[in-house]
Amino acid sequence: EAGVAQSPRYKIIEKRQSVAFWCNPISGHATLYWYQQILGQGPKLLIQFQNNGVVDDSQLPKDRFSAERLKGVDSTLKIQPAKLEDSAVYLCASSTRGVGNTEAFFGQGTRLTVV
Amino acid sequence: DAKTTQPTSMDCAEGRAANLPCNHSTISGNEYVYWYRQIHSQGPQYIIHGLKNNETNEMASLIITEDRKSSTLILPHATLRDTAVYYCIVRVGFNAGNNRKLIWGLGTSLAVNP
Repeated sequence: EAGVAQSPRYKIIEKRQSVAFWCNPISGHATLYWYQQILGQGPKLLIQFQNNGVVDDSQLPKDRFSAERLKGVDSTLKIQPAKLEDSAVYLCASSTRGVGNTEAFFGQGTRLTVV
Repeated sequence: DAKTTQPTSMDCAEGRAANLPCNHSTISGNEYVYWYRQIHSQGPQYIIHGLKNNETNEMASLIITEDRKSSTLILPHATLRDTAVYYCIVRVGFNAGNNRKLIWGLGTSLAVNP
């Protein structure tokens, strides 16, 4: 079974530039999550999708971050404009249902460095 | 904020059992305890979860105290590949819907030594 795919693996941008990350979840998984993991910390949930609808985006900085999940499959996370404090690993995960009852499978993440 | 506290780091000899403690003294009656681990430069990996009873699977055992204020993850025969950061997480939220979420803390960095 293929895992959660993310690209790019690494990205370096200057502050105030824009960047986008892509995620392809495990086939058939209805729930998709984007997490931000700052060095030395645990992952922080940014947004959760159920199919193509948003269930939780309470911790997404909506003035600069946006995410979409077209057709309930692939998803993109965008940052515009980036700040230095956005340097982190961005993790995508998917599960068959909401996080309450099942395990979430994670991709390897995209390491973003903002200079 | 995370509802769990864990030691920052631990060591374990290869082949021995690794016992990772976790305190969650403010856990509510219907909140689950989850364990994930994260090997360097990889995404987190699910290990196990439980509510009240002890749980065991092919990876580990989870022992939850009767008052549910603490738990221990046991890796019965640690190998070098078990070196990772281990996160003990309380799942918050009560409704049988989608507003339940995992609140991650800082985890325990486990080093398995030869």
